[in-house]
Amino acid sequence: DGGITQSPKYLFRKEGQNVTLSCEQNLNHDAMYWYRQDPGQGLRLIYYSQIVNDFQKGDIAEGYSVSREKKESFPLTVTSAQKNPTAFYLCASRTFMDGVNYGYTFGSGTRLTVV
Amino acid sequence: GENVEQHPSTLSVQEGDSAVIKCTYSDSASNYFPWYKQELGKRPQLIIDIRSNVGEKKDQRIAVTLNKTAKHFSLHITETQPEDSAVYFCAASINTNAGKSTFGDGTTLTVKP
Repeated sequence: DGGITQSPKYLFRKEGQNVTLSCEQNLNHDAMYWYRQDPGQGLRLIYYSQIVNDFQKGDIAEGYSVSREKKESFPLTVTSAQKNPTAFYLCASRTFMDGVNYGYTFGSGTRLTVV
Repeated sequence: GENVEQHPSTLSVQEGDSAVIKCTYSDSASNYFPWYKQELGKRPQLIIDIRSNVGEKKDQRIAVTLNKTAKHFSLHITETQPEDSAVYFCAASINTNAGKSTFGDGTTLTVKP
């Protein structure tokens, strides 16, 4: 059964701590994305990657880092430099075939809370 | 960069009525416009999309229209049902391999039985 798996579902971070959110897909999609969702707001792009070993900053990359060592995996690290990390984090992927891109497939999200 | 505005932020309708959500975009290069539905506590799911070479697309009770000249597109839901209650997001992107989407802020639709 193809899809995107995010883990953990809930994550609690202490002040000054780095945490890593996992995102794995078995859809054979080339492009992967990380979005942040705050209550009552839309999705804001943190980082995205078109191919392995390459990624670009989105609109709100400060305080975050990513890696793309495998096509299937795109983990997001929330560093201590991110001052307001409490949010719902969504990972997504999409396919691009025959010169056409398609809608996102989203993971089920990770809710991060600072304690 | 692209800016997407979505209206209204909340919408309440009676079951059986129609609902319309409108979005505008700023980048004339955008040519792919998906709509997502997000139920409470769940992931967004693609419900319909439209490309810039098409003015209207319909899928059962859902339709989307696009006006490239005015840079706006709309979602129309007819014969609404309580299970249509959710947050709806519009998005705009350019048809490239990167294809990153810019999202509107969402519309919370409530369908009253």
